[in-house]
Amino acid sequence: SQQGEEDPQALSIQEGENATMNCSYKTSINNLQWYRQNSGRGLVHLILIRSNEREKHSGRLRVTLDTSKKSSSLLITASRAADTASYFCATEANGNQFYFGTGTSLTVIP
Amino acid sequence: GAGVSQSPSNKVTEKGKDVELRCDPISGHTALYWYRQSLGQGLEFLIYFQGNSAPDKSGLPSDRFSAERTGGSVSTLTIQRTQQEDSAVYLCASSPGQFDTSYNEQFFGPGTRLTVL
Repeated sequence: SQQGEEDPQALSIQEGENATMNCSYKTSINNLQWYRQNSGRGLVHLILIRSNEREKHSGRLRVTLDTSKKSSSLLITASRAADTASYFCATEANGNQFYFGTGTSLTVIP
Repeated sequence: GAGVSQSPSNKVTEKGKDVELRCDPISGHTALYWYRQSLGQGLEFLIYFQGNSAPDKSGLPSDRFSAERTGGSVSTLTIQRTQQEDSAVYLCASSPGQFDTSYNEQFFGPGTRLTVL
């Protein structure tokens, strides 16, 4: 299976701190995406990084991709209570299937 | 429409009954995906439609599961003879297209929560 695995499974931080979560996968990919899921808004796309990119920024989000290690990290800076959610990485290899990991549950304490 | 819609939002059924779940993708999106998410778990890929091509059914867990996409738009996921292990949230997503992976951002619907008693 190419399913991504997020690490840690759960993370609890104080508001204002940075949150880092990691994703590992097993086979070659075209791109890797991060999604957020919370009860209020369902699954929402955050950022996409292509296999030939190493780092990408979007607002308070920073994503890195290391294809040699088959891993990615998502950094959320200056966290807010509203960032409380589950975060999933999804890998795409053939334009058809996306493999989602089991997610990291982030709790930001006000 | 403004986004992907799914119906019903909740479905409670008895073991052995058939259920149909509906997905209305974003207008113009050629790709449509169905996923299943069990409580506290990640997303399990079920099936993928791209335009008029034959669907990728490799994720369907058994022959009790089937899906159709009529006219390249609305999709229906059918589960026959439901079992308790089918209880999950069924998510539908659509995407603009396949040919450039930069367009492969998926837009998810709110899901259908299926409970099989």
